[in-house]
Amino acid sequence: QKEVEQNSGPLSVPEGAIASLNCTYSDRVSQSFFWYRQYSGKSPELIMSIYSNGDKEDGRFTAQLNKASQYVSLLIRDSQPSDSATYLCAVNSGGYQKVTFGTGTKLQVIP
Amino acid sequence: EAQVTQNPRYLITVTGKKLTVTCSQNMNHEYMSWYRQDPGLGLRQIYYSMNVEVTDKGDVPEGYKVSRKEKRNFPLILESPSPNQTSLYFCASSLAGGSNEQFFGPGTRLTVL
Repeated sequence: QKEVEQNSGPLSVPEGAIASLNCTYSDRVSQSFFWYRQYSGKSPELIMSIYSNGDKEDGRFTAQLNKASQYVSLLIRDSQPSDSATYLCAVNSGGYQKVTFGTGTKLQVIP
Repeated sequence: EAQVTQNPRYLITVTGKKLTVTCSQNMNHEYMSWYRQDPGLGLRQIYYSMNVEVTDKGDVPEGYKVSRKEKRNFPLILESPSPNQTSLYFCASSLAGGSNEQFFGPGTRLTVL
């Protein structure tokens, strides 16, 4: 059973702090990794995608991928109350077109 | 406006009464997919489609059918709904497969009594 695992949280951080969200996956052939944000009652929207080992930065967001250790993380710098949401990690195994989501981590940014 | 639309947004039905949830995208995307979201279980893929007339099972296909007769449409069919199919359903599309960003529809909340 291919799995994607996330800590469900909630993860509480004060406003302005760095929020660190982690995700591990079991399928070693996984090639594409995504972080989606989902506000309560809304549909998921893409925050970051990452395909190669290392870091990828986009504004306040940094995605980190380590294929050898099979984990992917998302750092949110200068966290804002508007970042409070559930963050979903998703993994795709290349030619195998299924996409597997983790159960999500709920982030609470405290003003 | 580029978007994925789903209808209906809310549906209450009874066990065994066939229903269809429609999904349409206007982005000329090759890949479309259906998910269900349940508390504690996250988003689980039901079916996906790589192109017209090409569909495949996701992780939880039992009790569902799909068809892809046109590129823009990907309806989800529940031929005999049961209470365990009560869930929040999302349709999504991407340009060219599961390795690309997916755009999600607004969701359909289904209750089966």
